[in-house]
Amino acid sequence: QQQVKQSPQSLIVQKGGISIINCAYENTAFDYFPWYQQFPGKGPALLIAIRPDVSEKKEGRFTISFNKSAKQFSLHIMDSQPGDSATYFCAARQAGTALIFGKGTTLSVSS
Amino acid sequence: NAGVTQTPKFRVLKTGQSMTLLCAQDMNHEYMYWYRQDPGMGLRLIHYSVGEGTTAKGEVPDGYNVSRLKKQNFLLGLESAAPSQTSVYFCASVLGGGREAFFGQGTRLTVV
Repeated sequence: QQQVKQSPQSLIVQKGGISIINCAYENTAFDYFPWYQQFPGKGPALLIAIRPDVSEKKEGRFTISFNKSAKQFSLHIMDSQPGDSATYFCAARQAGTALIFGKGTTLSVSS
Repeated sequence: NAGVTQTPKFRVLKTGQSMTLLCAQDMNHEYMYWYRQDPGMGLRLIHYSVGEGTTAKGEVPDGYNVSRLKKQNFLLGLESAAPSQTSVYFCASVLGGGREAFFGQGTRLTVV
């Protein structure tokens, strides 16, 4: 049973456009929801994270929207740039355990 | 400050051989994790540790063993490698009570 479901699997966006990646979860004990960015040949790196008592968090061009009742959260990348082309993973964690990741979304930003 | 260091970076094994992957962190983190990454499957948790001397199973533990004898090291062992264990393995660490997981650069393992 997949605990964190991520969509779409791949995404192509034009430069300057908005990239949107969605995730859904079932475990209501999750208390931390990060997004990680991974470039080829590198390990994932934290991009932005949110806790369930907040509905939105923004850092620069990156925004997380969180819907606790729907058990969904999403990543919005505004003004997408070619340098944003990477694989993005949503994740969730229950206190005292490990991060559980979605299957990832490969984003390509065309110039 | 090296962060999280994985050794080796690449390895080719024959079916049935054994090996140990080493993860070392110098940030005094309590939690350490081992994941495997396969195309289209994301990062799947193999085993994790919430402190020195403790380990727990993740989503895909079969065929792997781990040990956390020292706080800074988390070892992943393959006793009898199988082609299905061909993957990229990532180690990560988290400060206890903190949130951000820091990842190593990965180990690319091929079992032939």
